[in-house]
Amino acid sequence: DAKTTQPPSMDCAEGRAANLPCNHSTISGNEYVYWYRQIHSQGPQYIIHGLKNNETNEMASLIITEDRKSSTLILPHATLRDTAVYYCIVFSGSARQLTFGSGTQLTVLP
Amino acid sequence: GAVVSQHPSRVICKSGTSVKIECRSLDFQATTMFWYRQFPKQSLMLMATSNEGSKATYEQGVEKDKFLINHASLTLSTLTVTSAHPEDSSFYICSAGTDLNTGELFFGEGSRLTVL
Repeated sequence: DAKTTQPPSMDCAEGRAANLPCNHSTISGNEYVYWYRQIHSQGPQYIIHGLKNNETNEMASLIITEDRKSSTLILPHATLRDTAVYYCIVFSGSARQLTFGSGTQLTVLP
Repeated sequence: GAVVSQHPSRVICKSGTSVKIECRSLDFQATTMFWYRQFPKQSLMLMATSNEGSKATYEQGVEKDKFLINHASLTLSTLTVTSAHPEDSSFYICSAGTDLNTGELFFGEGSRLTVL
């Protein structure tokens, strides 16, 4: 039961901002949006999460639309090491599980 | 930050043998750990939820007698693939968190199993 929709792949030039979209039109009021990434042959890594407000940390920014039906993860200055599959996940504390969709393969080009 | 470690990172075994994969939380106690499986070019699929001191909860379609999970301490969960076959070849990943009311989990490095 996919709760998020992401483009399968995106390219970004090194040094430019990478903007990764995610649709989650059926998100409930108490569900959060989480972003993880998985570099090839490694375990996923937490990036950021949010409920309603935009969030920023040392890795990325998360922009959530006012209706919460979509969000965008922004890597402000992409590097080659940011090449990975990025997963957008809708999470609720009651489920206590992370369900991974197909994600977006981001390739940062030199 | 919190760290989850898996061992071994790679294992090759013969068909019919059993393989044990360990998942440790290095600097926090984890009453619950999650085991995922990932086939090539696919996403992670949750296999089971490992609970310290009690039986694991398996996702639909995952055979509990084939994938034995033991969570005997607050820092260690093990996944044993019994009577492994080539179709069990996969990337197995565990995860744990300090607060399961949040979705912030720490993942192990993964264990790549190849069954010949």
